[in-house]
This record gives sequence, structure tokens and C-alpha cells, in this order.
Amino acid sequence: AQKITQTQPGMFVQEKEAVTLDCTYDTSDQSYGLFWYKQPSSGEMIFLIYQGSYDEQNATEGRYSLNFQKARKSANLVISASQLGDSAMYFCAMREGGMTTDSWGKLQFGAGTQVVVTP
Amino acid sequence: IAGITQAPTSQILAAGRRMTLRCTQDMRHNAMYWYRQDLGLGLRLIHYSNTAGTTGKGEVPDGYSVSRANTDDFPLTLASAVPSQTSVYFCASSERGGPSSYNSPLHFGNGTRLTVT
Repeated sequence: AQKITQTQPGMFVQEKEAVTLDCTYDTSDQSYGLFWYKQPSSGEMIFLIYQGSYDEQNATEGRYSLNFQKARKSANLVISASQLGDSAMYFCAMREGGMTTDSWGKLQFGAGTQVVVTP
Repeated sequence: IAGITQAPTSQILAAGRRMTLRCTQDMRHNAMYWYRQDLGLGLRLIHYSNTAGTTGKGEVPDGYSVSRANTDDFPLTLASAVPSQTSVYFCASSERGGPSSYNSPLHFGNGTRLTVT
């Protein structure tokens, strides 16, 4: 079963506007972490932001913030004041803290959302 | 600059040949991972190592082997390459592996683009 779902294959956003990328997840673990990564066209995977399942505050890192709604199992990424350099593929991912060796350490990715920032 | 170094950057390989993808990290991270990224299939875990001296199988381990003789190095070997192993391979590391690792982000190398003909 899909653990991470990103329903937006692609999005266009104008420069200086904010954009929200959706991510829902599925887990029965109490302990888990949610991550967002950026993959520009050059191919590298860049870690952006982390949200822990026990964190009561939404995570923020510069222009990135995570809208964490635990009851709805969603962890949406908000990019404020978009820049041309934000054009990239964005992946939501999860690590579970379960008790099976299958889940230990495994970072599970969604399919990604392609963001294009236009002038 | 601290990080993960992968080599080679890209490679074209004849089917049936043996190939080792190299990965070195200088962050003294305990855990290391190999992922492959394919269009339409996303990133899939091949093998992992939660600490030096141990390794484990991920989602798609067949045709690949790894070793973790020390903290820094985690090579991935294709014993006899097949065209379905054409992919972009990412090595990653995290400070912790195992059951306490859910809040430990992975840091990725720049990837190796492998084409098996």
C-alpha cells in the first residue's frame, strides 16, 4: 500500500507567490518523521525540512514551512515568496519508528510534485 | 565541504559486466543507504546499513550487493549487470539508523547515472 501520497503531479506558480504542495501519509506507528526534499533539474536531492510526529509546532526553515495536521495525516509544504530557483521536483517522505526491521531506517517517498515558477 | 561523494558520475556498461558504484561520506554518520530512482517508480531502497559491519536488504535488492567495512564507505556492486538496472543511483547517509532513526534526515549524494546496454 502507498504510504506517501502526493496528488499534484505538477504546478505552475508565479514568482513571489506562495505555493502549497500536498502530502498525505499512512502509518500506524506513533513515532515517525516527515521530510521534504527538493530535486532540481541538475538531479541532486536536497533536504528541506523535517516534522516529527510528536512535534506540536509546525516546522519552519526560512521560506519553507510545513503545515502538519496529524489527525488528517497530512504534511503539506508551503513555499512562501516563490523564486525562479524554486523550480524543481519536490518529494514528501516518511521514516517510521516501528518495531519491524522492514521499517527501520527506510525513507519512503511519494511520487513527487513538479513545480515550475514563472516570472 | 562535508558530504557524500559518489563515483562515477555516470557510466555506460555492457550487460553481463560487473560494476561497483562507490560512495564515501565524511560526516561520520552511522547509517548509509542505496536508492535507485526510475521514472514512474520513484525512489526505491536497494540496501541499507545501520552501522559499520551490518547491512540489510531494501525493497529491490536482487542483483545488487553491498558491504560496510568501515563508517565512511558503502560500495554497491552489480555482479552481472542487466538492462533493467539502468537507473540513477543515489547513496545517502543519516546520523542514526535503526529504531531511533525516524527523526534523522537522510543526506544524499549527487547520484550516479548508470546505463546498461
